[in-house]
Amino acid sequence: QVQLKESGPGLVKPSGTLSLTCTVSGGSISSSLWWSWVRQAPGKGPEWIAETYHSGTTHYSPSLKSRVSISVDKSKNQFSLNLSAVTAADTAFYYCAARSVTGFVAYWGQGKLVIVSS
Amino acid sequence: EVVMTQSPANLSVSPGERATLSCRASQSVSSNFAWYQQRPGQPPRLLIYGASTRATDTPARFSGSGSGTDFTLTISSLQSEDFAVYYCQQYHTWPPWTFGQGTKVE
Repeated sequence: QVQLKESGPGLVKPSGTLSLTCTVSGGSISSSLWWSWVRQAPGKGPEWIAETYHSGTTHYSPSLKSRVSISVDKSKNQFSLNLSAVTAADTAFYYCAARSVTGFVAYWGQGKLVIVSS
Repeated sequence: EVVMTQSPANLSVSPGERATLSCRASQSVSSNFAWYQQRPGQPPRLLIYGASTRATDTPARFSGSGSGTDFTLTISSLQSEDFAVYYCQQYHTWPPWTFGQGTKVE
């Protein structure tokens, strides 16, 4: 059973960079899953941010593409998210997730609340 | 971007009653469609994929139907643990994969 856990700062200053890491346990990051970041503002539906495969292929949401990068560290069984030039609108719960090759999200982390505020 | 629209936003149901939730896609997503349940303070949990296939551990009282643009999640007899927010998601067209705004069953 794959387990995911987010880590990183819970408070980021406006115009700064949000950086989060997801540690994968119970499975290999080189398995047939897409490693994803999804965020959810309080009271809103989830929003897909980005995803990556262990081969290095990445997909980014068009609305965030100019500010987002996702990467994999196979040696640590981790993947990471960087979101630059953040504003208050980026305040949300950030989930790391593992998507099946078919498309649905099979595994979710517990989520990390990130607040953008000075 | 495929827009997913859920209705109703809030659904008031009593324990033991049947609940019917709807989701409409702005364009056909075939059967590349999932339902998730989210309880307070928890991440979403996969309930249904492929529009009608129950995920592991999803009770039989949950059933999904539909294809193309119109989908339905039915809970045949609501249990106390079913009071939650339900989201639909399409995984037919990238970018990006998109979710609905949720239906709160209360």
